[in-house]
Amino acid sequence: GENVEQHPSTLSVQEGDSAVIKCTYSDSASNYFPWYKQELGKRPQLIIDIRSNVGEKKDQRIAVTLNKTAKHFSLHITETQPEDSAVYFCAASRWDGSGGGADGLTFGKGTHLIIQP
Amino acid sequence: KAGVTQTPRYLIKTRGQQVTLSCSPISGHRSVSWYQQTPGQGLQFLFEYFSETQRNKGNFPGRFSGRQFSNSRSEMNVSTLELGDSALYLCASSERGAEQFFGPGTRLTVL
Repeated sequence: GENVEQHPSTLSVQEGDSAVIKCTYSDSASNYFPWYKQELGKRPQLIIDIRSNVGEKKDQRIAVTLNKTAKHFSLHITETQPEDSAVYFCAASRWDGSGGGADGLTFGKGTHLIIQP
Repeated sequence: KAGVTQTPRYLIKTRGQQVTLSCSPISGHRSVSWYQQTPGQGLQFLFEYFSETQRNKGNFPGRFSGRQFSNSRSEMNVSTLELGDSALYLCASSERGAEQFFGPGTRLTVL
């Protein structure tokens, strides 16, 4: 089955600096890679995702890059703010695009992002 | 649209008992997935239902089961509870099987 490794487990950055979280996956059939943000005591929230036919996707201060050859994808957060402090999870799955169900998401262990004032 | 809802939010059970958790997906979403979240194992996939059929299953024992109704609401059941079943159980709904939106979870404590 799929295995997702996520690094680092904890990341502390100064407010205003950039943060990068990296993930690798093992199953070359995986084609959908979402990122979730989970604040303490709250549900995971989908913040950005990328499909395997795209190399990069941006949404304001957040971007995700995908290297299918290396089976590697990363989350980039620029101009970090205090509200970015949370645990971030990467995930991978196979999705056939038919609209009918999907393999379950395989998650990384999470990165605790701390924004220092 | 209203988000994914789960009931109950908190449960306390004793070993050997069984429990049923409920999930109502976002209106129009036909896929419901269940996940277990623990500090040690992280987020782990339990199973996924689409149009009342279990489409995918994670690596959990048969004590964990689920079902989906015609209105897409889903329930999961855990029988013969063990201490290690204490966790946050999250369900997620999806319109097309890719983007999954999570509910607030049910916190299960097994004593």
